[in-house]
Amino acid sequence: QSALTQPASVSGSPGQSITISCTGTSSDVGSYDLVSWYQHYPGRAPQLMIYEVTKRPSGVSNRFSGSKSGNTASLTISGLQAEDEADYYCCSYAGSRVVFGGGTKVTVL
Amino acid sequence: EVQLVQSGPEVKKPGESLKISCKGSGYSFTTYWIAWVRQMPGKGLEWMGIIYPTDSDTRYSPSFQGQVTISADKSISTAYLQWSSLKASDTAIYYCARGNGDYDANWFDPWGQGTLVTVSS
Repeated sequence: QSALTQPASVSGSPGQSITISCTGTSSDVGSYDLVSWYQHYPGRAPQLMIYEVTKRPSGVSNRFSGSKSGNTASLTISGLQAEDEADYYCCSYAGSRVVFGGGTKVTVL
Repeated sequence: EVQLVQSGPEVKKPGESLKISCKGSGYSFTTYWIAWVRQMPGKGLEWMGIIYPTDSDTRYSPSFQGQVTISADKSISTAYLQWSSLKASDTAIYYCARGNGDYDANWFDPWGQGTLVTVSS
């Protein structure tokens, strides 16, 4: 089962908006509205940012939003801040299993 | 507070066995799935498998089927990940995470702090 495809890196200046894509197949992203996104600082536990494509857990900034079209899901970070510099992973349900993306390093310039 | 606390770092030799743990607290342990996720050095997250503590229903990623064993002891709210014969390529950080979702366990929160497993001769 192949990992979902994410860009290796995305960068932006403070205050800008960036979007991270996550491309899967008709067996995972395309079949279920069950995509989640995680923020991961090295050495720390990953943190849930978005679940079920668009839902944001309590405590997560509304600068983070999710969407999906066909086999591709996206995470948008608006009003980019220095603290957003981290690795981001998408994750999709794939029928009794789950698959992660390869991860995207977000750099705040 | 809902939390998962994992066992401490391990240093093992190739061929040795190992069992690491993940203890849940602050919620009903038996009503949520527990997943295990691997992060090899410098690499991304990989979903290994998941267990439902109530009945020990377990699912594995094809990549990890036969390589590890996932188990749980609901009486002490603890899930386990074990190897019978470690390889150097098992060196990684292993995370446990609570699975959530109305439609199967499809999102994961919270996560344990991670257990670093180092396998070296």
